[in-house]
Amino acid sequence: GENVEQHPSTLSVQEGDSAVIKCTYSDSASNYFPWYKQELGKRPQLIIDIRSNVGEKKDQRIAVTLNKTAKHFSLHITETQPEDSAVYFCAAGRNYQLIWGAGTKLIIKP
Amino acid sequence: DAEITQSPRHKITETGRQVTLACHQTWNHNNMFWYRQDLGHGLRLIHYSYGVQDTNKGEVSDGYSVSRSNTEDLPLTLESAASSQTSVYFCASSDGNEQFFGPGTRLTVL
Repeated sequence: GENVEQHPSTLSVQEGDSAVIKCTYSDSASNYFPWYKQELGKRPQLIIDIRSNVGEKKDQRIAVTLNKTAKHFSLHITETQPEDSAVYFCAAGRNYQLIWGAGTKLIIKP
Repeated sequence: DAEITQSPRHKITETGRQVTLACHQTWNHNNMFWYRQDLGHGLRLIHYSYGVQDTNKGEVSDGYSVSRSNTEDLPLTLESAASSQTSVYFCASSDGNEQFFGPGTRLTVL
Protein backbone atom coordinates (compact mmCIF):
# COMPACT_ATOMS: atom_id res chain seq x y z
CA GLY A 1 0.00 0.00 0.00
CA GLU A 2 0.90 3.66 -0.03
CA ASN A 3 3.23 4.86 2.68
CA VAL A 4 5.08 7.87 4.06
CA GLU A 5 8.58 7.54 5.48
CA GLN A 6 9.74 10.11 8.02
CA HIS A 7 13.28 10.77 9.29
CA PRO A 8 14.79 11.04 11.77
CA SER A 9 12.72 9.33 14.45
CA THR A 10 14.43 11.44 17.13
CA LEU A 11 16.15 14.80 16.68
CA SER A 12 17.99 16.64 19.42
CA VAL A 13 19.10 20.24 18.77
CA GLN A 14 20.50 23.07 20.84
CA GLU A 15 18.08 25.86 21.65
CA GLY A 16 18.39 28.53 19.00
CA ASP A 17 19.61 26.13 16.30
CA SER A 18 17.57 24.95 13.32
CA ALA A 19 15.79 21.61 12.97
CA VAL A 20 14.92 19.79 9.74
CA ILE A 21 12.58 16.81 9.43
CA LYS A 22 12.22 14.97 6.13
CA CYS A 23 9.44 12.86 4.61
CA THR A 24 9.13 10.80 1.46
CA TYR A 25 5.81 9.64 0.04
CA SER A 26 4.97 6.89 -2.43
CA ASP A 27 1.61 7.94 -3.92
CA SER A 28 2.34 10.26 -6.84
CA ALA A 29 -1.33 11.39 -6.79
CA SER A 30 -0.93 12.97 -3.35
CA ASN A 31 -1.65 16.70 -3.51
CA TYR A 32 -1.78 17.85 0.12
CA PHE A 33 1.06 17.72 2.66
CA PRO A 34 0.39 18.84 6.24
CA TRP A 35 2.63 18.86 9.28
CA TYR A 36 1.13 18.28 12.72
CA LYS A 37 2.63 18.89 16.16
CA GLN A 38 1.68 16.70 19.09
CA GLU A 39 2.69 17.66 22.60
CA LEU A 40 2.83 14.95 25.26
CA GLY A 41 -0.66 13.72 26.14
CA LYS A 42 -2.32 16.12 23.72
CA ARG A 43 -4.02 15.85 20.35
CA PRO A 44 -2.19 16.45 17.04
CA GLN A 45 -2.58 20.01 15.75
CA LEU A 46 -1.83 21.40 12.32
CA ILE A 47 1.14 23.78 12.23
CA ILE A 48 1.65 24.24 8.48
CA ASP A 49 0.56 22.64 5.21
CA ILE A 50 1.43 22.84 1.54
CA ARG A 51 -0.32 21.87 -1.65
CA SER A 52 1.24 20.19 -4.66
CA ASN A 53 1.17 23.35 -6.79
CA VAL A 54 3.43 25.20 -4.34
CA GLY A 55 7.14 24.55 -3.74
CA GLU A 56 7.64 26.36 -0.46
CA LYS A 57 5.59 27.95 2.30
CA LYS A 58 6.73 29.88 5.35
CA ASP A 59 5.03 30.95 8.56
CA GLN A 60 7.27 32.85 10.96
CA ARG A 61 9.89 30.35 12.22
CA ILE A 62 8.54 27.33 10.36
CA ALA A 63 8.70 26.50 6.67
CA VAL A 64 7.87 23.55 4.47
CA THR A 65 9.43 22.66 1.12
CA LEU A 66 8.07 20.23 -1.45
CA ASN A 67 9.88 18.45 -4.27
CA LYS A 68 7.17 16.68 -6.29
CA THR A 69 9.61 15.05 -8.68
CA ALA A 70 11.47 13.36 -5.83
CA LYS A 71 8.24 12.89 -3.81
CA HIS A 72 9.94 14.50 -0.88
CA PHE A 73 8.94 17.27 1.55
CA SER A 74 10.59 18.77 4.60
CA LEU A 75 9.80 20.82 7.70
CA HIS A 76 12.27 23.50 8.75
CA ILE A 77 12.15 25.14 12.18
CA THR A 78 14.55 28.03 12.78
CA GLU A 79 15.63 29.58 16.09
CA THR A 80 14.24 26.65 18.05
CA GLN A 81 12.70 27.32 21.45
CA PRO A 82 11.83 25.02 24.40
CA GLU A 83 8.15 25.07 23.41
CA ASP A 84 9.08 23.45 20.09
CA SER A 85 9.75 20.19 21.97
CA ALA A 86 7.09 17.74 20.73
CA VAL A 87 6.47 14.95 18.26
CA TYR A 88 6.01 16.13 14.69
CA PHE A 89 4.09 14.14 12.08
CA CYS A 90 4.09 14.58 8.33
CA ALA A 91 1.31 13.29 6.12
CA ALA A 92 0.49 13.00 2.44
CA GLY A 93 -3.03 12.98 1.15
CA ARG A 94 -5.66 13.27 -1.51
CA ASN A 95 -9.46 13.13 -1.47
CA TYR A 96 -9.41 14.21 2.20
CA GLN A 97 -7.53 11.08 3.28
CA LEU A 98 -4.08 11.25 4.87
CA ILE A 99 -1.26 8.72 5.09
CA TRP A 100 0.95 9.52 8.05
CA GLY A 101 4.63 9.28 8.79
CA ALA A 102 5.72 7.56 12.01
CA GLY A 103 6.68 10.81 13.72
CA THR A 104 9.82 12.63 14.86
CA LYS A 105 10.46 13.41 18.50
CA LEU A 106 12.13 16.82 18.63
CA ILE A 107 14.15 17.55 21.75
CA ILE A 108 15.37 21.10 22.39
CA LYS A 109 18.45 21.17 24.62
CA PRO A 110 18.88 24.28 26.82
CA ASP B 1 -17.56 27.24 20.30
CA ALA B 2 -17.61 24.37 17.85
CA GLU B 3 -15.54 21.41 18.95
CA ILE B 4 -14.89 17.69 18.67
CA THR B 5 -15.20 15.49 21.74
CA GLN B 6 -14.49 11.86 22.55
CA SER B 7 -15.78 9.66 25.33
CA PRO B 8 -14.73 7.97 27.43
CA ARG B 9 -11.22 9.45 27.76
CA HIS B 10 -9.95 6.28 29.42
CA LYS B 11 -11.34 2.76 29.24
CA ILE B 12 -10.20 -0.57 30.61
CA THR B 13 -11.95 -3.66 29.33
CA GLU B 14 -11.48 -7.40 29.11
CA THR B 15 -10.66 -9.55 26.12
CA GLY B 16 -13.78 -10.56 24.21
CA ARG B 17 -16.00 -7.72 25.35
CA GLN B 18 -17.71 -5.32 22.93
CA VAL B 19 -16.60 -1.72 23.36
CA THR B 20 -17.92 1.47 21.75
CA LEU B 21 -15.96 4.71 21.64
CA ALA B 22 -17.93 7.88 20.98
CA CYS B 23 -16.95 10.80 18.77
CA HIS B 24 -19.07 13.96 18.48
CA GLN B 25 -18.35 17.13 16.49
CA THR B 26 -20.31 20.35 16.33
CA TRP B 27 -18.65 21.86 13.24
CA ASN B 28 -21.11 20.21 10.87
CA HIS B 29 -18.19 18.60 9.04
CA ASN B 30 -19.01 15.97 6.45
CA ASN B 31 -15.76 14.00 6.83
CA MET B 32 -14.95 12.02 9.96
CA PHE B 33 -12.07 9.65 10.68
CA TRP B 34 -10.94 7.18 13.32
CA TYR B 35 -7.24 6.53 13.91
CA ARG B 36 -5.24 4.48 16.35
CA GLN B 37 -1.88 5.70 17.57
CA ASP B 38 0.83 3.30 18.68
CA LEU B 39 4.50 4.03 19.36
CA GLY B 40 6.54 3.76 16.19
CA HIS B 41 3.50 3.65 13.89
CA GLY B 42 2.21 7.18 13.85
CA LEU B 43 -1.50 7.43 13.11
CA ARG B 44 -3.16 4.54 11.30
CA LEU B 45 -6.58 4.94 9.72
CA ILE B 46 -9.26 2.53 10.96
CA HIS B 47 -12.45 3.77 9.29
CA TYR B 48 -13.71 6.98 7.73
CA SER B 49 -16.92 8.55 6.55
CA TYR B 50 -17.68 11.26 3.99
CA GLY B 51 -21.26 11.81 5.13
CA VAL B 52 -24.40 10.30 6.61
CA GLN B 53 -24.77 6.60 5.80
CA ASP B 54 -21.30 6.52 4.22
CA THR B 55 -18.56 4.41 5.84
CA ASN B 56 -15.26 3.12 4.46
CA LYS B 57 -12.50 0.83 5.69
CA GLY B 58 -9.04 2.14 6.37
CA GLU B 59 -5.74 0.28 6.53
CA VAL B 60 -6.37 -1.38 9.94
CA SER B 61 -10.14 -1.99 9.96
CA ASP B 62 -10.22 -5.66 11.02
CA GLY B 63 -12.08 -6.04 14.33
CA TYR B 64 -13.62 -2.55 14.16
CA SER B 65 -16.87 -1.14 12.80
CA VAL B 66 -18.48 2.28 12.50
CA SER B 67 -21.88 3.70 11.62
CA ARG B 68 -22.90 7.22 10.58
CA SER B 69 -26.54 7.96 11.28
CA ASN B 70 -26.12 11.74 11.57
CA THR B 71 -23.54 14.39 10.71
CA GLU B 72 -22.30 14.92 14.27
CA ASP B 73 -21.40 11.39 15.41
CA LEU B 74 -19.18 8.52 14.30
CA PRO B 75 -19.05 5.84 17.03
CA LEU B 76 -16.31 3.20 16.78
CA THR B 77 -17.16 -0.33 17.93
CA LEU B 78 -14.71 -3.07 18.78
CA GLU B 79 -16.77 -6.21 18.24
CA SER B 80 -14.67 -8.49 20.46
CA ALA B 81 -11.81 -6.63 22.10
CA ALA B 82 -8.32 -8.12 21.80
CA SER B 83 -5.10 -7.20 23.62
CA SER B 84 -3.67 -6.04 20.28
CA GLN B 85 -6.32 -3.29 20.28
CA THR B 86 -4.79 -1.63 23.33
CA SER B 87 -3.98 1.82 21.96
CA VAL B 88 -4.83 5.50 21.94
CA TYR B 89 -7.74 6.22 19.61
CA PHE B 90 -8.24 9.59 17.93
CA CYS B 91 -11.29 10.80 16.10
CA ALA B 92 -10.93 13.62 13.57
CA SER B 93 -13.23 15.65 11.35
CA SER B 94 -12.81 17.93 8.34
CA ASP B 95 -14.73 19.81 5.69
CA GLY B 96 -11.65 20.09 3.49
CA ASN B 97 -8.08 18.92 3.78
CA GLU B 98 -7.29 20.06 7.34
CA GLN B 99 -8.29 17.49 9.95
CA PHE B 100 -9.24 18.54 13.48
CA PHE B 101 -8.60 15.99 16.19
CA GLY B 102 -10.49 15.06 19.30
CA PRO B 103 -8.66 14.69 22.65
CA GLY B 104 -8.25 10.91 22.27
CA THR B 105 -9.37 7.81 24.17
CA ARG B 106 -6.84 5.56 25.86
CA LEU B 107 -8.12 1.99 25.67
CA THR B 108 -6.57 -0.88 27.58
CA VAL B 109 -7.67 -4.45 26.85
CA LEU B 110 -6.69 -6.92 29.56
